[in-house]
Amino acid sequence: QVQLVQSGDEVKRPGASVTVSCKTSGYTFTDYYLHWVRQAPGQGLEWLGWMNPKTRATHYAHQFQGRVTMTKNTSISTAYLELTGLKPDDTAVFYCARVGAALLLEWPIDYWGQGTLVTVSS
Amino acid sequence: DIQMTQSPSSLSASVGDRVTITCRASQGIRNYLAWYQQKPGKVPKLLIYSASTLQSGVPSRFSGSGSGTDFTLTISSLQPEDVATYYCHKYNGAPPGYIFGPGTKLEIK
Repeated sequence: QVQLVQSGDEVKRPGASVTVSCKTSGYTFTDYYLHWVRQAPGQGLEWLGWMNPKTRATHYAHQFQGRVTMTKNTSISTAYLELTGLKPDDTAVFYCARVGAALLLEWPIDYWGQGTLVTVSS
Repeated sequence: DIQMTQSPSSLSASVGDRVTITCRASQGIRNYLAWYQQKPGKVPKLLIYSASTLQSGVPSRFSGSGSGTDFTLTISSLQPEDVATYYCHKYNGAPPGYIFGPGTKLEIK
């Protein structure tokens, strides 16, 4: 079965960086686009960007450009999200999420990681 | 850039009621619209995609309609387990990308 298992919760100081990993299994890693989405406490879902695991192509939401990097290690079917210059309002649960159809970007998300809480506090 | 809005932001209804949630895009997005249900402490669950296609395993009391700029999610007979926040999601690449609506919190009266 399809699984996306994320790394553990993190606590960071303002100005620091965080890397969240997303280990996938149960499908061919390179065949499905991955998105990253975050959710601040009590707030809605905010999209950060997508990555094509086959080509390494990425596209980031405007508000995160310059601060976010999405990468992958195909040999271990794992995707990574790095966010730099952390601020207290970056405190959120970060999710990796897989598109539901192979080789299609314009298709809805149907599998989600369990979420990683990143807390930014001095 | 396209903006997504939802109404109402919250609503309270009785078990058995028909519930309708609206999502509006500021520009046309054809039918690249999905609906998600998120219960507290859980990940979002896909209910509807392509504006009106029911995801496998989702109860038939959920339905979606619309195209272009105006979309609706309808629950034909509200059940206690439907208490959740519902999000619409634009999943085409038109700027600003694959954004979500602000959400509608549904409670039981």
